[in-house]
Amino acid sequence: GQNIDQPTEMTATEGAIVQINCTYQTSGFNGLFWYQQHAGEAPTFLSYNVLDGLEEKGRFSSFLSRSKGYSYLLLKELQMKDSASYLCAVRDANSGYALNFGKGTSLLVTP
Amino acid sequence: SAVISQKPSRDICQRGTSLTIQCQVDSQVTMMFWYRQQPGQSLTLIATANQGSEATYESGFVIDKFPISRPNLTFSTLTVSNMSPEDSSIYLCSVEEDRGGEQYFGPGTRLTVT
Repeated sequence: GQNIDQPTEMTATEGAIVQINCTYQTSGFNGLFWYQQHAGEAPTFLSYNVLDGLEEKGRFSSFLSRSKGYSYLLLKELQMKDSASYLCAVRDANSGYALNFGKGTSLLVTP
Repeated sequence: SAVISQKPSRDICQRGTSLTIQCQVDSQVTMMFWYRQQPGQSLTLIATANQGSEATYESGFVIDKFPISRPNLTFSTLTVSNMSPEDSSIYLCSVEEDRGGEQYFGPGTRLTVT
């Protein structure tokens, strides 16, 4: 089984930077995913890390340390539309390559 | 990335009936999965849809309740059988174009059982 932990809620100010952490335990790590989900909508793919290090995509970056079982999603230049739930998910090769999700972090961006 | 559509987008069904949800992809994909998201919760995997063979179900989900078909590399169906109000949820299909690659979600089917 897997334990995936991320904060329940976070609040940040428009224009600022926020870091959402995720820790996990898994036996057959095969990648870590971050998704954004607005209320009433399906999850939207943000990033995928399989090797250690930082992946940057515009305002969003994701970091992975496999030895520490740790990842973070970094959002820069926050905009009001970034208010959403952010889901951390781990793929386990021992579980058929499907994703196991954390409970999600609800981010509120304030003016 | 692949374009994924689901039908229906939403439905309201009576207790005891069944609903079949379709997932269509615009290109051939290696892996297809079905997830459930109950109100206020995160996503839970129901099963992996295997092309040409029986689906692989997660603990707590059984074929009699959630039969799945995957006749080819672009299409899958999930049936929610003998529904009860506890089945009210969003049902999502997801795909991986290549095994071990990025995974994308369809728009979801919002099911309400009365």
